[in-house]
Amino acid sequence: KQEVTQIPAALSVPEGENLVLNCSFTDSAIYNLQWFRQDPGKGLTSLLLIQSSQREQTSGRLNASLDKSSGRSTLYIAASQPGDSATYLCAVEAPAAGNKLTFGGGTRVLVKP
Amino acid sequence: KAGVTQTPRYLIKTRGQQVTLSCSPISGHRSVSWYQQTPGQGLQFLFEYFSETQRNKGNFPGRFSGRQFSNSRSEMNVSTLELGDSALYLCASSPDRVEKLFFGSGTQLSVL
Repeated sequence: KQEVTQIPAALSVPEGENLVLNCSFTDSAIYNLQWFRQDPGKGLTSLLLIQSSQREQTSGRLNASLDKSSGRSTLYIAASQPGDSATYLCAVEAPAAGNKLTFGGGTRVLVKP
Repeated sequence: KAGVTQTPRYLIKTRGQQVTLSCSPISGHRSVSWYQQTPGQGLQFLFEYFSETQRNKGNFPGRFSGRQFSNSRSEMNVSTLELGDSALYLCASSPDRVEKLFFGSGTQLSVL
């Protein structure tokens, strides 16, 4: 059974510092991994999608890496801003899970001005 | 392009009642999936529909059901509501599997 873990559950950094968010998964046979952002009481916004054949994806200040063999992904956010404060979730889509997304518990990020 | 639209935004029901939630996907998206989000269990998959067929189902009791119409709009129904059904219900759409998911803002259901 695929399990996705995100540690730490919460993170606080001063504005301008780089953010490093971790995601680990137990079954390396995945189709893809997605990173999402969620603001309080709102839906999820997809940030980056990494296909299983890819090692990383970049969008603006965001960069996500994927290491299937070790079951890990890392989301880097450069030069954090207060507007980056949100909960960040990773999710994997895998054949063993019937192609449904399995989510981690999320990391709640606070960027202090 | 309009995003994923979920209605209603908030619902308050009492135990034993039933509820229907609606989701309109992004135009052209044929896959619609539903998730339940609670503080204790996080995000859990309910089911996925593609071209009016349920393609995948999560581990929820039969009180949770859904359907998809020919225009890809989807509804989910929860019968005989229990207190533990209080949650944010999220709908997501995509053109097909293995593609980026686009989520709606959710329906916040409170069961009293």
